Amino acid sequence: ETGVTQSPTHLIKTRGQQVTLRCSSQSGHNTVSWYQQALGQGPQFIFQYYREEENGRGNFPPRFSGLQFPNYSSELNVNALELDDSALYLCASTLTGGGGYRRNYGYTFGSGTRLTVV
Amino acid sequence: TQLLEQSPQFLSIQEGENLTVYCNSSSVFSSLQWYRQEPGEGPVLLVTVVTGGEVKKLKRLTFQFGDARKDSSLHITAAQPGDTGLYLCAGVRGSQGNLIFGKGTKLSVKP
Repeated sequence: ETGVTQSPTHLIKTRGQQVTLRCSSQSGHNTVSWYQQALGQGPQFIFQYYREEENGRGNFPPRFSGLQFPNYSSELNVNALELDDSALYLCASTLTGGGGYRRNYGYTFGSGTRLTVV
Repeated sequence: TQLLEQSPQFLSIQEGENLTVYCNSSSVFSSLQWYRQEPGEGPVLLVTVVTGGEVKKLKRLTFQFGDARKDSSLHITAAQPGDTGLYLCAGVRGSQGNLIFGKGTKLSVKP
């Protein structure tokens, strides 16, 4: 089975610009989450998508938005980039059933997109 | 406010030594996961603990979930250089299964 793939691997943007990051979920997974990991920190939850709808959001402003497509792949969009947005952006996928997240089922993470805002 | 506190933040030991990493919270989680992350890579799941008091072993790694499901520990026996990496604990919250990560413990095992 294929794992989670993210593109691009590295990106440099100028403050004020917009960026789109892409994620293909692991085969058989239907739920995608996005995390921001600043240098020396643990990942911070941005939001999660299930059945093409956002079903959970962390403490991030509205300029962070996303999409999930029918094939379960996902995009993270960030508008009006700020210097503090420089970080590793991680995508993770899992399988969620009708009863919600399965407590004993973990997430598969991609290798991330390293975004640098200058 | 960091919901999950990990300690120590940094750990540098010699090959063959034992170590314990702690993950503490004032919140109750439905389950807790431990991940290992290497530079330039995403976190890789090591284990999920679900039941209070649960102990799981993965070769030389022993994971324990506190009785109240608020804290956890990771014990490594006879550490090897290949164990070097960032160890992250993550509490699972809500029916959506959102992960709340600690800051991580950066482990360096010297030959």
